[in-house]
Amino acid sequence: KQEVTQIPAALSVPEGENLVLNCSFTDSAIYNLQWFRQDPGKGLTSLLLIQSSQREQTSGRLNASLDKSSGRSTLYIAASQPGDSATYLCAVLSGGGADGLTFGKGTHLIIQP
Amino acid sequence: AAGVIQSPRHLIKEKRETATLKCYPIPRHDTVYWYQQGPGQDPQFLISFYEKMQSDKGSIPDRFSAQQFSDYHSELNMSSLELGDSALYFCASSLGLRQSYGYTFGSGTRLTVV
Repeated sequence: KQEVTQIPAALSVPEGENLVLNCSFTDSAIYNLQWFRQDPGKGLTSLLLIQSSQREQTSGRLNASLDKSSGRSTLYIAASQPGDSATYLCAVLSGGGADGLTFGKGTHLIIQP
Repeated sequence: AAGVIQSPRHLIKEKRETATLKCYPIPRHDTVYWYQQGPGQDPQFLISFYEKMQSDKGSIPDRFSAQQFSDYHSELNMSSLELGDSALYFCASSLGLRQSYGYTFGSGTRLTVV
């Protein structure tokens, strides 16, 4: 059964810092990996999607990498801003025909002004 | 661009009552997925439908049922509600099953059982 772990569980940094969020998964047979952002009590906003054949994806100040063989992904946020404060969730779509995404428990990020 | 629409946004029900949540996928999307997110928890996959047929089943209780209609919208029916059913319920849609585009999520329905 696929398990997704995110480290750290919480992070508080001053504005302007570059930071890295980590995600690991136990079964490397995945279709893709998606990073989401969730504001308190709100929906899931897709940030980046990495296919199993890809190594990284970039969108603005965000860069996500994938090392499928080692079961790891990182989300790099450059020049952090207070508006980046949210919970960041990593989710994998496993192989084997299952439809459901397996989520990590998220990293709760606070960017201090 | 049109997104995944869920209704209602908020719902308060008493124990043992029934609730129906609705999901309208992105136009042309033929696949719908339902997730449940309890307080402080990560989203858990409940059930999915592709072309109006159930595709996969996750941790959906027997008290819950769902279907996808001819216009591809989906409804999640929840009966004999329990306090533990209080959660955010998300719907996501995609074009095709397990495709490379990823899933787009709606804003969710917050169900509170009292």
